[in-house]
Amino acid sequence: DIQMTQSPSSLSASVGDRVTITCRASQSISSYLNWYQQKPGKAPDLLIYAASALQSGVPSRFSGSGSGTDFTLTISSLQPEDFATYYCQHSYSTPRTFGQGTKLEIK
Amino acid sequence: QVQLVQSGSELKKPGASVKVSCKASGYTFTRYGMNWMRQAPGQGLEWMGLINTNTGNPTYAQGLTGRFVFSLDTSVSTAYLQISSLRAEDTAVYYCARDGVDRSYYYMDVWGKGTTVTVSS
Repeated sequence: DIQMTQSPSSLSASVGDRVTITCRASQSISSYLNWYQQKPGKAPDLLIYAASALQSGVPSRFSGSGSGTDFTLTISSLQPEDFATYYCQHSYSTPRTFGQGTKLEIK
Repeated sequence: QVQLVQSGSELKKPGASVKVSCKASGYTFTRYGMNWMRQAPGQGLEWMGLINTNTGNPTYAQGLTGRFVFSLDTSVSTAYLQISSLRAEDTAVYYCARDGVDRSYYYMDVWGKGTTVTVSS
């Protein structure tokens, strides 16, 4: 199985900050990488698919990059509604494992 | 609009069974696969597997024992997750999510709100 490792596990930041979350795959997954945002008590929402494609309706301050084994999710200017937990997930093969999550908190 | 509506919360005793439903609307059910995930209290997301809604063929994550079964009723655009011989460690929120696709890239673009299954004596 492909293992997905996110860093950091938690992050404190302020409104307006630029934030980067990293996801590393245990083997090459090309660009088969998705990012999700989950707020407490809610289902996850898709942000980015195919490593860098922005899902319809997602603000342009979110962007994704990377290929192979190393990927990043960047939020260019944090807004109050962005404080949440973020998960990466690969879709290269089954099982489509998730990273352990990165909790983004207000500083 | 495109949505997935899941069945309500369940409280079950150890050893019992539960069947969670996920009803799709707003799109052609058999054109997209259906994923199932679970999230134990305070934990991250776990992909459990998916079912091909066209053929009914399921794919289960390794380590998911035969206690978990995915099924369909395409006449009512509904996917099901059945869990038998429930254990305390099955306590979790269970999500269904549509298997969207763009070129060869798969992603979960529509999610149900989740069904809480609590196993307690």
